Amino acid sequence: AQSVAQPEDQVNVAEGNPLTVKCTYSVSGNPYLFWYVQYPNRGLQFLLKYITGDNLVKGSYGFEAEFNKSQTSFHLKKPSALVSDSALYFCAVRLYSGYSTLTFGKGTMLLVSP
Amino acid sequence: GAVVSQHPSRVICKSGTSVKIECRSLDFQATTMFWYRQFPKQSLMLMATSNEGSKATYEQGVEKDKFLINHASLTLSTLTVTSAHPEDSSFYICSARDSQSNQPQHFGDGTRLSIL
Repeated sequence: AQSVAQPEDQVNVAEGNPLTVKCTYSVSGNPYLFWYVQYPNRGLQFLLKYITGDNLVKGSYGFEAEFNKSQTSFHLKKPSALVSDSALYFCAVRLYSGYSTLTFGKGTMLLVSP
Repeated sequence: GAVVSQHPSRVICKSGTSVKIECRSLDFQATTMFWYRQFPKQSLMLMATSNEGSKATYEQGVEKDKFLINHASLTLSTLTVTSAHPEDSSFYICSARDSQSNQPQHFGDGTRLSIL
């Protein structure tokens, strides 16, 4: 079984400040890890993924995430938040091989204040 | 980047009506498509997985006779909500993945279904 935990329902940050959205995962095998963003009444947009290689993954819109195998974490980060980053963020995991399905975290609402 | 097109974006109809939602992968062949349901302020709930040319695999608790899925080609999957009732009102999102297993799933923009 695989699972994803996003411990924060909401993260508040001021524009220009760094942001972190936390994610930990559990999977029996090598994980594929993903971050998606959802704006109101829209589907999910892919931000970045980790498969293998460098633990620091860079993605769209200046976001990056760090894979930490020992802590089974994949936190999303951005050095300087924008008001337009305000949205719902989902972390997801699936097994490295085969056609396993994505398992999503419950989502974290990011609110960036001007 | 890969694009998944989902139509319609919003449906409002009377109870008892059947509603069809289309999901198309525009620039890649989607060997596998997924249908999700999302309740307000909640995560996505996987309803079913469909592979081109074969029957869909439904998650536990999802009525296959209620939610008919057809994956007729490598670029098109449809979800039909049969005899819809108010409790079927929700946000439905499709997703597609191509044959390379290390590629991310791409999502449509969702369909807001409101049953009166």
